[in-house]
Amino acid sequence: GDSVTQMEGPVTLSEEAFLTINCTYTATGYPSLFWYVQYPGEGLQLLLKATKADDKGSNKGFEATYRKETTSFHLEKGSVQVSDSAVYFCALHSGAGSYQLTFGKGTKLSVIP
Amino acid sequence: DAGVIQSPRHEVTEMGQEVTLRCKPISGHNSLFWYRQTMMRGLELLIYFNNNVPIDDSGMPEDRFSAKMPNASFSTLKIQPSEPRDSAVYFCASRRTGGNQPQHFGDGTRLSIL
Repeated sequence: GDSVTQMEGPVTLSEEAFLTINCTYTATGYPSLFWYVQYPGEGLQLLLKATKADDKGSNKGFEATYRKETTSFHLEKGSVQVSDSAVYFCALHSGAGSYQLTFGKGTKLSVIP
Repeated sequence: DAGVIQSPRHEVTEMGQEVTLRCKPISGHNSLFWYRQTMMRGLELLIYFNNNVPIDDSGMPEDRFSAKMPNASFSTLKIQPSEPRDSAVYFCASRRTGGNQPQHFGDGTRLSIL
């Protein structure tokens, strides 16, 4: 079955540091890939997505590239801010005919001033 | 655009009581999902509706849990009787069916069963 593996947290960074959160997946067919962010006390918000190999999703300074050859979708940001402190979830959707999102376990990021 | 709206945001009740959680999906979205989030288990899909019809309820933990979607703009998740182990954050999400449409989540209901 489908699965998503993302790096264990928590991750603590200083403001303006470079962020990478690793995500790898196993899926049949041609999945779409997503990163969601959950701020304290809130629901999950879509951060970015990519629907085919080599696509790059980007939003709010975050980027992730769909790498089919390495089955990866790593999240990166060049300079994090305190306001980026949240839990980040990598997820995949298997594609046509599928309705489920398969989530990773989430990575908690704390950014300190 | 209005997002997915859930109510109440917080619910504290004693075990044995009936609990009803409510969700209004985004207009035009014909798929609706109920999730439960706990520290131990993470995010779990409880039930999935498509065009108001329950398609997959295999994640509903036991018969104490039930969900309905009487129309395209409203869904409920009911727990009767409630138990302390039901304490969690419950999320509703909706999406347009087809293609690679993402799910959009509500802010959740934080449920505490004493």
